[in-house]
Amino acid sequence: DQQVKQNSPSLSVQEGRISILNCDYTNSMFDYFLWYKKYPAEGPTFLISISSIKDKNEDGRFTVFLNKSAKHLSLHIVPSQPGDSAVYFCAGSGGGADGLTFGKGTHLIIQP
Amino acid sequence: NAGVTQTPKFRVLKTGQSMTLLCAQDMNHEYMYWYRQDPGMGLRLIHYSVGEGTTAKGEVPDGYNVSRLKKQNFLLGLESAAPSQTSVYFCASSYFPAVPGTDTQYFGPGTRLTVL
Repeated sequence: DQQVKQNSPSLSVQEGRISILNCDYTNSMFDYFLWYKKYPAEGPTFLISISSIKDKNEDGRFTVFLNKSAKHLSLHIVPSQPGDSAVYFCAGSGGGADGLTFGKGTHLIIQP
Repeated sequence: NAGVTQTPKFRVLKTGQSMTLLCAQDMNHEYMYWYRQDPGMGLRLIHYSVGEGTTAKGEVPDGYNVSRLKKQNFLLGLESAAPSQTSVYFCASSYFPAVPGTDTQYFGPGTRLTVL
């Protein structure tokens, strides 16, 4: 059973427009969610996170929204830039030390 | 400050051979993790450690062993490699979180392993 789902394997957005990446989860025990960005041949790097007690967290061009009743979160990137082209992973944390549960990732392509 | 480093970067093994992947971190992190990433599968947790001398199983531990003899190092061993273990392996580390679940994990660059 996939606990974190990213249903869009890829997304293409024009430079300067908004990119919206979606993530759904099934595990109600998750109390913290994170987004990671990954370039080819590199390890994932932390982008932004949100606690389950909040519904929005903003950091510069990046905003994450959490809808607990729908078990859905989204990452908004405004405006999108060429350097944002990467694979984005959504991850959930249950509060323990046993790592993160990752989605399969969404490949974001920013077109000039 | 190198962060999280992994050795080697690439390796090709034959079925049945053994090898050890080394992960080192210089951030004095308590927690360390090994993940594998397969095409279309995201990252899956193999084993993790909450401190020197401790290890625990993750989601996909079969066929792997780990050791954390020093706080800064976390070793992943394959005793008898199988083609199903062809993957990219990532090590990560994090602080002991003040609030559980709020730890940000820092990842190494990965080891690409092919088992023929």
